[in-house]
Amino acid sequence: GDSVTQMEGPVTLSEEAFLTINCTYTATGYPSLFWYVQYPGEGLQLLLKATKADDKGSNKGFEATYRKETTSFHLEKGSVQVSDSAVYFCALSDSGGNTGKLIFGQGTTLQVKP
Amino acid sequence: GAGVSQSPSNKVTEKGKDVELRCDPISGHTALYWYRQRLGQGLEFLIYFQGNSAPDKSGLPSDRFSAERTGESVSTLTIQRTQQEDSAVYLCASSIRLADTDTQYFGPGTRLTVL
Repeated sequence: GDSVTQMEGPVTLSEEAFLTINCTYTATGYPSLFWYVQYPGEGLQLLLKATKADDKGSNKGFEATYRKETTSFHLEKGSVQVSDSAVYFCALSDSGGNTGKLIFGQGTTLQVKP
Repeated sequence: GAGVSQSPSNKVTEKGKDVELRCDPISGHTALYWYRQRLGQGLEFLIYFQGNSAPDKSGLPSDRFSAERTGESVSTLTIQRTQQEDSAVYLCASSIRLADTDTQYFGPGTRLTVL
């Protein structure tokens, strides 16, 4: 079945550092890809998404490009802030039949220090 | 309008008891999803609804789990004869329609602890 693999955390960076969180997937069809974020004490919320190959999703300075050839959707940000500290989840929509069902990676904890 | 709400926010129960978890989706959202998040793990899909119909129940961990939805409104997830391995955060999400490209909006979750 479809699956998502994320780099393990925690990731600790200094403020203004460059961030990359790796995400790769396996899918039999053509899923949509998502990054969700969970800030401390808050619920899960969509950060960005891409629905087809070569699409780039972007939001709040974060971006990720849907790479079909490498089955990847790596999350990047050029200059992180302390407020970006959170758990980041990569997810794909199950390609088995347009049900919207999401398959999530394990999550990567990011801690940004001032 | 308001986002997805869930109740209770925390539930502590004894092994063997039944529990009911409630989800109120965003008004007008036809699709509703339940997920489970065990400590230190990613989210695990349980079940989805299109309106009040649940076409695929294969994600439910065992026959102790069941879910229902009233029209395009409230959904309840029921766990009978709870076990310690049921301890997790149960998350509900809704989206405007049942589609792979649509954004799901998540509730704050219900943290279930089975003693």
